[in-house]
Amino acid sequence: NAGVMQNPRHLVRRRGQEARLRCSPMKGHSHVYWYRQLPEEGLKFMVYLQKENIIDESGMPKERFSAEFPKEGPSILRIQQVVRGDSAAYFCASSQGVGKSNEQYFGPGTRLTVT
Amino acid sequence: DAKTTQPPSMDCAEGRAANLPCNHSTISGNEYVYWYRQIHSQGPQYIIHGLKNNETNEMASLIITEDRKSSTLILPHATLRDTAVYYCIVRVGYGQNFVFGPGTRLSVLP
Repeated sequence: NAGVMQNPRHLVRRRGQEARLRCSPMKGHSHVYWYRQLPEEGLKFMVYLQKENIIDESGMPKERFSAEFPKEGPSILRIQQVVRGDSAAYFCASSQGVGKSNEQYFGPGTRLTVT
Repeated sequence: DAKTTQPPSMDCAEGRAANLPCNHSTISGNEYVYWYRQIHSQGPQYIIHGLKNNETNEMASLIITEDRKSSTLILPHATLRDTAVYYCIVRVGYGQNFVFGPGTRLSVLP
């Protein structure tokens, strides 16, 4: 049973370019979460999605960042016009979304470097 | 904000039990206690979770006090590969994100 898949694992972008990060949840999971980890800091929640719906985007920066989880295909975190401060590890997690205890399983992350 | 308090760092001798404490004095009746760890810069790894009963799986044991205001994660025979940052998180089970605090950096020493 494959775990959470993220690609690319490493992404280098110049300032002003767009970054697209993809996340395929575990089989049977319909809930996806995105987190960001800046160098030497803890993980910070960004956005929580179910299929075709954004449930909670309270952690998303107001500008340049967007996320989607279409009916078919992976979840996408999009960062437009990247700046050096966007350099970080971006982790995706998935869960079943049902049941009382709803552990999340994390992917290996995408390391974004903005030059 | 994280609702838990953990020591910033701990050492443990290889082969010994590692006991990692966590205080969550404001925990609500419907909140679970979850433990994750992050080895180097990898994605966080789920370890165990519980509501009020003690739990055990192939990785660890979780001891929750009767008043649920604190818990202890036990790694029964720590190895060098258990060196990581361990996060204790309290959360309602369904549909909420995790709030990660600074965690405990466990160093397993040879």
